[in-house]
Order: sequence, then C-alpha cells, then structure tokens
Amino acid sequence: QVQLQESGPGPVKPSQTLSLTCTVSGGSINRGNNYWTWIRQPAGKGLEWVGRIHSSGSTEYNPSLKSRLSISLDTSNNHFSLRLSAVTAADTAVYYCARGIFWTGSSPIFYMDVWGKGTMVTVSS
Amino acid sequence: SSELTQDPAVSVALGQTVSIKCQGDSFRIYFATWYQQKPGQAPVLVVYGENNRPSEIPDRFSGSRSGNTCSLTITGAQAEDEADYYCSSRDSNDHNQEIFGGGTKLTVL
Repeated sequence: QVQLQESGPGPVKPSQTLSLTCTVSGGSINRGNNYWTWIRQPAGKGLEWVGRIHSSGSTEYNPSLKSRLSISLDTSNNHFSLRLSAVTAADTAVYYCARGIFWTGSSPIFYMDVWGKGTMVTVSS
Repeated sequence: SSELTQDPAVSVALGQTVSIKCQGDSFRIYFATWYQQKPGQAPVLVVYGENNRPSEIPDRFSGSRSGNTCSLTITGAQAEDEADYYCSSRDSNDHNQEIFGGGTKLTVL
C-alpha cells in the first residue's frame, strides 16, 4: 500500500527558506486522481492545512501562506516538495504530508487517507 | 475564510456513547471529514462523506450532519478511543481550500 515519508532540514533560521520533501512508496505520484497535501501542527495546537498538488501538477494553497509557498512534484524521484520562504518562528511546527482523495459523493469533498509520520521543523536563530 | 468550531474537551464513560460536534457554515454544503490523533502520532482518517469509514476503522464510529453541525458518534467508547479528534471541511467561501476545527480532546473515564 501507499506510504509517505517526510524529510527535512530540522532547524531553519528566520528569513530563510524551508524545504521539505515527501517520498511516496507503493504507488506512482503522477497517476490516479490524487492530491498530495501538506498539513502542519504547532506544538500543542491544532492542524492547519498548508496546500496540495494534484497528480497533474495543479496546486492550491492556504491563502495565509500563498505569497511564500510553493509545492511541486518530482516524478522522476516519486516525491513532492514544499518550499516556504521568509520563515519566522510562527512557522515552527510538525509538518505532515498526506494523500488526498476527492470523494465524488452527493457533496464532493476531500479526505486524506494516508499520512506520513511528520517531521519537526524549528525556526530559530 | 470560513471557520469550524469544536468543543475543546469531551468525556465519556467506558462503554457509553458520545458525540463530538463540529459547527460551521461550510456544513450547509459539505460533509465533515473526521480524524483521530493520539499523542505523538500522525492523524488517522476515521469518517468521511455522508458516513463512510476506512475498512480498518471499527463500526462504532459514525458520522452525521444536521444543519450547520456535523457530529462524530462513538457508540460504546473504548479506552483506545481516547484521543484528539479533528473535523475538516472544504471552505464554503473558497471551495479549493480546506479548513480544520480546533480539535476536541476525548477522555474515556
């Protein structure tokens, strides 16, 4: 079955760019109607949807992050990536990647059925 | 963007039934998706759509909607159900965005 694994730099300095990668195993990243998604969670707080990229390459971003955020696919390595520029302490969080599915029921919605274990990102000088 | 509101904490006696609620205007259009998160672990999908569960989720978990409120009901709560529960939805103001509720801490007594 599909499994996801985040990897990242650990500590990042303020004003720098955060780069994270989510490696997908057990399935091809550019096949199927999948939405590869990033979610983050500051320590002791709730979940925040960051953004997603469809297997075709189209993206959707959280408006509060849109000006600093880029999500991309790397089909040759079967992974997708997040880049968040000009980071501050407010970007410190556990970052999860997940597979999103578009459910075409009576009221179409998205759900995330496979999650990575998460990677901690600390923004500190 | 829209907002989803959850009670911060709910408790239930072992074996009893509990409903965790999530309120928001988005639910006049969409159903909620529910995630369970235990300490130090990634969230796990519990319920999505009208009332659908992944195959590995016990059938004591169910979802429903009434007006602007969605509920996750656990019928016969078990000790292992103690966790944080998050609702999510498409944003009714921007349908390409996803929003999460603040989470509900469920304690099984």
